[in-house]
This record gives sequence, structure tokens and C-alpha cells, in this order.
Amino acid sequence: EVQLVESGGGLVKPGGSLRLSCAASGFTFSSYSMNWVRQAPGKGLEWVSSISSSSTYIYYADSVKGRFTISRDNAKNSLFLQMNSLRAEDTAVYYCARGSNSGLVQGEYFPHWGQGTLVTVSS
Amino acid sequence: AIRMTQSPSSFSASTGDRVTITCRASQGISSYLAWYQQKPGKAPKLLIYAASTLQSGVPSRFSGSGSGTDFTLTISSLQPDDFATYYCQQANSFPLTFGGGTKVEIK
Repeated sequence: EVQLVESGGGLVKPGGSLRLSCAASGFTFSSYSMNWVRQAPGKGLEWVSSISSSSTYIYYADSVKGRFTISRDNAKNSLFLQMNSLRAEDTAVYYCARGSNSGLVQGEYFPHWGQGTLVTVSS
Repeated sequence: AIRMTQSPSSFSASTGDRVTITCRASQGISSYLAWYQQKPGKAPKLLIYAASTLQSGVPSRFSGSGSGTDFTLTISSLQPDDFATYYCQQANSFPLTFGGGTKVEIK
């Protein structure tokens, strides 16, 4: 059974930093792309970032480009999101989602999701 | 970025109703479209991908159609478990984008 468990969320002041982690199990982690998707309170889903299976290809939403960094450790079956210069509008539940391919090609869907971790940016 | 527009944003329906949700892309995305269901406090669940392929384990009352810019999600006979919010997502190109969601409520 595929399992994705996020951690690292919490309350942080504007301008602060936070590092999210996602522990994966139940599938060959190194064979799939991975993604972060967020959802602000009471709002819809927003794609944040994607990383290919070997970290060759990485994409970011314009709203986080230059502030967030996605990475992965295939030896430890883990995905990360380093979030710097946080803003109030970054407040959201952050989901880790497994992709449907190894590379970031057309057809990147999200068949498996974690339970999410809440990030609150407030003074 | 490709903009995804869903309609309606919400509606009320009864158990047993046939319901249709529409998703329109701001430019052609071939068949690179997915539909997700989300219940309050839970992660989204993939229902359909490639516009019309049912994800494993999803009931056959769900179906998807369309290509290019116009897509639909149909629930043939609404069940109590189907009251939720539904999102479309384009997978044609990065940045990946979602529709604004359609909330299906009990009439």
C-alpha cells in the first residue's frame, strides 16, 4: 500500500523559513516523480512544485519560485520542500503527492496523496 | 499558464440524480485532464485521468469525457458518498493547474 506521510508544518512568522518532509513507502520511490500541492483554508487546490524521479527536472509555480526549493533523497525514500521568505499567503495545508510517471512529462497526475501538513504564516 | 474554469461552482442534488460538471481549459490540452474528489479535511482522491480513464477502484458510476478544451465529469446516479467537492486538473504542460472546484451538496 502506498503511504505518504508529511511532517514539518507549523506556525512561522512572515519572512521565516520552514522545511517540509514527506516519507514515502509501499512503492519504488526512485521510479516516480513527486509533487507538492497546497490548499489555503477554504480555498481550492494549487500546484506548488514537481521533481522528476532522478531530480533532473524541477518545476515551480510562479508564486513560490525563488523562495521554495524542492528536493528528494531516493536512498531515504523522502521528499522535501524548503520554504524561505514565507508570506501570509503561503498559509495552507501542504500535500505531498506521488506522480504517475518517472519524468515530468505530459500526463502528470496525482494518484496518491499524503494527509497533508498545515503551514501557518502569521506574526 | 493554462487556466481551468469549472462550472458550476456549486449546486444541490438528490441521491439518484445524474449530475454533470464541466471543466474548460483556456487552450487545448488534448486529453491530459484529471478529475479529483475531495471531502472536508481529507486529501483529494484521483477519480479519472486522461480525460476518460477510470482510476482503479473508482465506481463505474463516474465517467469522464472530452478533449481539447471542453471536458465533463458525469456521475450517473449520485450516491450519499458522492457529496463532495470535485476538481479538474490539466496535465498538458507545466505549470500544472487546477480548476476552482465544484461543490456538490445535498438537496
